[in-house]
Amino acid sequence: AQSVTQLDSQVPVFEEAPVELRCNYSSSVSVYLFWYVQYPNQGLQLLLKYLSGSTLVKGINGFEAEFNKSQTSFHLRKPSVHISDTAEYFCAVRTLTTSGTYKYIFGTGTRLKVLA
Amino acid sequence: DGGITQSPKYLFRKEGQNVTLSCEQNLNHDAMYWYRQDPGQGLRLIYYSQIVNDFQKGDIAEGYSVSREKKESFPLTVTSAQKNPTAFYLCASSIDLKRLMNTEAFFGQGTRLTVV
Repeated sequence: AQSVTQLDSQVPVFEEAPVELRCNYSSSVSVYLFWYVQYPNQGLQLLLKYLSGSTLVKGINGFEAEFNKSQTSFHLRKPSVHISDTAEYFCAVRTLTTSGTYKYIFGTGTRLKVLA
Repeated sequence: DGGITQSPKYLFRKEGQNVTLSCEQNLNHDAMYWYRQDPGQGLRLIYYSQIVNDFQKGDIAEGYSVSREKKESFPLTVTSAQKNPTAFYLCASSIDLKRLMNTEAFFGQGTRLTVV
């Protein structure tokens, strides 16, 4: 079964510093990967997605992610973070079920805390 | 504006009572999903539905029930059989994935259920 691993439960970083949030997925023939952001007591908002093509994907709010097939990774990066980036970030993969439908599998999340 | 509406935002339930969480979408999406979110555990899939009058169990379906009588609506009932129902519940939807391969899930704002 497909799975997603987010190795860091919490990442503290100072404002204007770069950040990388790590995500690894279990290997599959076709991979569709996503990063979402969640602010307190709200739903999830899509940051970016990888479907095919260029391995470097750019998203909203200055975030980008790189798909690495050999390392089965999809790490999220931002060169300079702001206080407003403080939130929880989820990596997800879309997977085919035994009934022929699709579902989304999420990692356990990484809480990014930006310090002044 | 198109989107997903979950209601209520906060819900309190006495032990032994059933309670129903509402999820409505006007995005004309075929697929709908219910996730449960607990601190440190990420999002876990409860039920999902690809078409009207059809739904499948996710990873933690015990103690929950759903219906899909209309394309726009996918209510979740938390029954008294669910032993630890206090959590944040998120509803999501996506376009028919059999026709379009590159789609993400869109989320509602969530319902926080507390057993008192």
